[in-house]
Amino acid sequence: DVKVTQSSRYLVKRTGEKVFLECVQDMDHENMFWYRQDPGLGLRLIYFSYDVKMKEKGDIPEGYSVSREKKERFSLILESASTNQTSMYLCASTPSYYGYTFGSGTRLTVV
Amino acid sequence: KQEVTQIPAALSVPEGENLVLNCSFTDSAIYNLQWFRQDPGKGLTSLLLIQSSQREQTSGRLNASLDKSSGRSTLYIAASQPGDSATYLCAVRRGGANNLFFGTGTRLTVIP
Repeated sequence: DVKVTQSSRYLVKRTGEKVFLECVQDMDHENMFWYRQDPGLGLRLIYFSYDVKMKEKGDIPEGYSVSREKKERFSLILESASTNQTSMYLCASTPSYYGYTFGSGTRLTVV
Repeated sequence: KQEVTQIPAALSVPEGENLVLNCSFTDSAIYNLQWFRQDPGKGLTSLLLIQSSQREQTSGRLNASLDKSSGRSTLYIAASQPGDSATYLCAVRRGGANNLFFGTGTRLTVIP
């Protein structure tokens, strides 16, 4: 089975901190994604990547950046965390044209 | 832009009942449709994937159908159990692009 592993289930960070959320997949998928999920707003795409060092903005990239130095790892970076970035963050991966596999999520609280 | 709607938003049924969850989408140019389950505070678990050339997929007590021309999919759950209680999401994948459009979800409660 494909595994997508998010390094932290819960994180509490202070306003202004630089935050790294890590995601690793073990099935050599070329595509990886970062979503955030908020009550009433559903899942919204932040960034995605087609290949190593490639990245594309999703629907809500403001305040975020990403890094994909290796095929299996896709990192989401909050340059200066703010309280409105408190959310559930979900990473996913997929080979082209097949199903998505999601990680177990990271609940980030910014205080 | 693709819009995906799920009806009902919430559903409560007694244990043992068969039930159907609905998903509709506005643009039939999809590559596939995927049903997910999400437990509170957890990630998404893939249940079934239907490619656009397929009509249905089955896994255990779950059966998903796809009618691309009418923009509809259903998820049928047979003999529901309390452990089926969760939010169910459908998502359509656009042809030629690596992106998913999610539905709004149906929160299912199975009452023992």
